[in-house]
Amino acid sequence: AQSVTQPDIHITVSEGASLELRCNYSYGATPYLFWYVQSPGQGLQLLLKYFSGDTLVQGIKGFEAEFKRSQSSFNLRKPSVHWSDAAEYFCAVGANSGNTPLVFGKGTRLSVIA
Amino acid sequence: KAGVTQTPRYLIKTRGQQVTLSCSPISGHRSVSWYQQTPGQGLQFLFEYFSETQRNKGNFPGRFSGRQFSNSRSEMNVSTLELGDSALYLCASQVGASPPGYGYTFGSGTRLTVV
Repeated sequence: AQSVTQPDIHITVSEGASLELRCNYSYGATPYLFWYVQSPGQGLQLLLKYFSGDTLVQGIKGFEAEFKRSQSSFNLRKPSVHWSDAAEYFCAVGANSGNTPLVFGKGTRLSVIA
Repeated sequence: KAGVTQTPRYLIKTRGQQVTLSCSPISGHRSVSWYQQTPGQGLQFLFEYFSETQRNKGNFPGRFSGRQFSNSRSEMNVSTLELGDSALYLCASQVGASPPGYGYTFGSGTRLTVV
């Protein structure tokens, strides 16, 4: 069964600083990988996803993520954080076939300070 | 086009009662999945429906049940509510059956509080 670890529960960055959120997964085959963002009291919005091909994936709101098979990682990055990026971020892993549901990490809460 | 609509947005129930939550998927989406989100456990998969058939079920007690109608709308029911059922219940829809999550759009959720 697949699993996801987000090692950082809470991260605080200054507005304008760069950001990297870590995600490590466990899955026996090539996974489908996702990053979602959740604002307080809201549902999840998809930032980006990786299925195959180029290991550097561009998403919405200026986010990108890199799939590194050798490290079983799919870290999320943004070169310059805006105050509106403060939210909770979830990494998820899915199977590339069958009906196995998505498995989510516990999330990383991002705070942005002036 | 309209997104995934979950009703009600907020709900307060007493222990022992039952509750029904509704999810209307995006038009044309035939797959609906439900997740429970709590601070301690994070997002946990409840069930997935496609064309009125339950394709998958998570590790939850039998008090949790669901169904999907011919118009793809889905409901989930929790009977004999416990305090631990307090959570944000999220549903997600996608066009086809698999793989799950391939094209999820999430609703804003129903916040259930059990007192």
